[in-house]
Formats: sequence, structure tokens, C-alpha cells
Amino acid sequence: DGGITQSPKYLFRKEGQNVTLSCEQNLNHDAMYWYRQDPGQGLRLIYYSQIVNDFQKGDIAEGYSVSREKKESFPLTVTSAQKNPTAFYLCASSMTAVLTNEKLFFGSGTQLSVL
Amino acid sequence: GNSVTQMEGPVTLSEEAFLTINCTYTATGYPSLFWYVQYPGEGLQLLLKATKADDKGSNKGFEATYRKETTSFHLEKGSVQVSDSAVYFCALTLTNAGGTSYGKLTFGQGTILTVHP
Repeated sequence: DGGITQSPKYLFRKEGQNVTLSCEQNLNHDAMYWYRQDPGQGLRLIYYSQIVNDFQKGDIAEGYSVSREKKESFPLTVTSAQKNPTAFYLCASSMTAVLTNEKLFFGSGTQLSVL
Repeated sequence: GNSVTQMEGPVTLSEEAFLTINCTYTATGYPSLFWYVQYPGEGLQLLLKATKADDKGSNKGFEATYRKETTSFHLEKGSVQVSDSAVYFCALTLTNAGGTSYGKLTFGQGTILTVHP
């Protein structure tokens, strides 16, 4: 089955620790996205990548980093500089970044909590 | 900046009741508008969309009309079912005059809908 796989489902971070969230897609999509979901605030865009080896900051990129070395993979690292990392993280992809004509396909998310 | 505001939730209805979830937006340029739905334990999925003023998006009995004069995109369904219980997100992407957008969706805060038998 084609889709987006996020792992792990639950992740715990200690103070001062970097953690990496995995996102893999087998839909052959060019564009991939990371959103953060907080209660009562909806989804906020962290980073997005329109094509392999390219990515741009979203609205809340501080304290996060990404890479896009392969078309199917877009890992998100939550660094120690992110002071409030507890949230639900959603990865998404689309065939292209021209969102007028495309829809986003979402993974089932990773819940990150700070110990 | 661009923003989307949804009505406060949660919304609780009985089966077969009429549903309205309000959505208004602020945008510079030409937005396309979307409703996404998140069922329990799942990721978001596109419910419907409208790309220009006066367009009506529809799917699974849900409808929303793009109203430029009131900057709104309210979601409606005539008769809800228990299976419609989910979180509903209104979203926009900006497009240029040619109608293409460049990769950013702005979401509202989401509205939780619970339908009782």
C-alpha cells in the first residue's frame, strides 16, 4: 500500500537532547512537509521541501532542522534549542508543491514529549 | 499575514442534525480554500476544496462555498452521521494571478465534531 510512514509513534526527549523524527513516503511525491499540532492552535508549518536536496523554512522553523537527501525521506530533528518541543508532529507530502491542484497526504503523526 | 479562523468547538450534535462549521480567512492575493478532516487515530485527509470565488466544493455530503465578499468558507452538511465525528480543519494556500500556489498551507485551529446516535 502506498502512503506516508512516520516513526516512532511516541518519542520522549531529555533536556539538552536532539531527537530525530522519521518520515518516509512511497508515493513518489516531490514535495514534503512538517507540521506541528498543538491543542487549540491547529497546524503550523515547520519546514517544507519542494524537491529533493531543497527545503525552505516555514512559519516556526527555529529550533528544528531537516534534510532531503532522498526523494522518499524527510527527517525532522528537534534540537535542544527548541524550548517547547512537546507537541504532535505531522509529516505530509504532495505530488508537487502546486497546492492549487494537489492535495496533501498526511502520516499518522509522532507525539513528542519532554521528560 | 495570512490566517484562518474557525468557530470555537467542540461541536456536539445528534445524528441527522444540520451541521455548520464557520471558517473565515485573511489573505493577501488570491487564496484557494480547503477543508481537511482528521478521524480519530488517523492523519488529515482532504475533504473538499474551492479555488476561486463563488466555487462550491462538495464531497461525502459536505459542502462549502467560497465567499469572497465575506471572506468565508463555511462547512455544511444537511444530516450528520456518527461516522462524521472527527476534527475538521479549514486551510488556505495563496495563489498567483495565474492560479498556481507555492507550497504553503495555512490551517485554522480545528473544530472537534462529536455526533451522538
